[in-house]
Amino acid sequence: GALVYQYPRRTICKSGTSMRMECQAVGFQATSVAWYRQSPQKTFELIALSTVNSAIKYEQNFTQEKFPISHPNLSFSSMTVLNAYLEDRGLYLCGARSGVSNERLFFGHGTKLSVL
Amino acid sequence: AQSVTQPDARVTVSEGASLQLRCKYSSSVTPYLFWYVQYPRQGLQLLLKYYSGDPVVQGVNGFEAEFSKSNSSFHLRKASVHWSDSAVYFCAVSMGANSAGNKLTFGIGTRVLVRP
Repeated sequence: GALVYQYPRRTICKSGTSMRMECQAVGFQATSVAWYRQSPQKTFELIALSTVNSAIKYEQNFTQEKFPISHPNLSFSSMTVLNAYLEDRGLYLCGARSGVSNERLFFGHGTKLSVL
Repeated sequence: AQSVTQPDARVTVSEGASLQLRCKYSSSVTPYLFWYVQYPRQGLQLLLKYYSGDPVVQGVNGFEAEFSKSNSSFHLRKASVHWSDSAVYFCAVSMGANSAGNKLTFGIGTRVLVRP
């Protein structure tokens, strides 16, 4: 079956430092990857959409300078939170899907980021 | 731009009782509709989805949802809940076949507590 693994599950970083999280698709080819953030007591916000061989599209309020994303092949994506501060706390979810139209997103368990 | 409203932040039900979670959306065209569940300390799992056809869709674990175009709603139901259904439920929409399942807009979620 199709699975998405995210690593690490939980992480703590000091304010002002950076943290990289990874997303691995197993059992299918992840042509598209979406990164979401769920801040405490809030819903999920889309950070960016990444499609292999296309430019990464960032949503308003999120930038490549703050959340650089790499999507080098059909099974792997990573995102870094640069200069993390308290407002960057939350659960970061990776959702991946294959190129088939209407194919749903498969989500990982997320990376929970705490900032001290 | 589309939006999703889940008017009930918290719902408490007794085990064995029925459950209905409300979801209304705002969109210029009929979107693709989803219900996801987030169990404690976990990511998102898809319960069910609606693209077209029969407005009542069946999902996992006995859940079903009914799409109403006239009401712009996609309410989730379960006839008899179990304590393990305690979780946060998110309604989500996406637009168009090319982006189906990728650019999801989520509601704020409804926290369900099932009492023994």
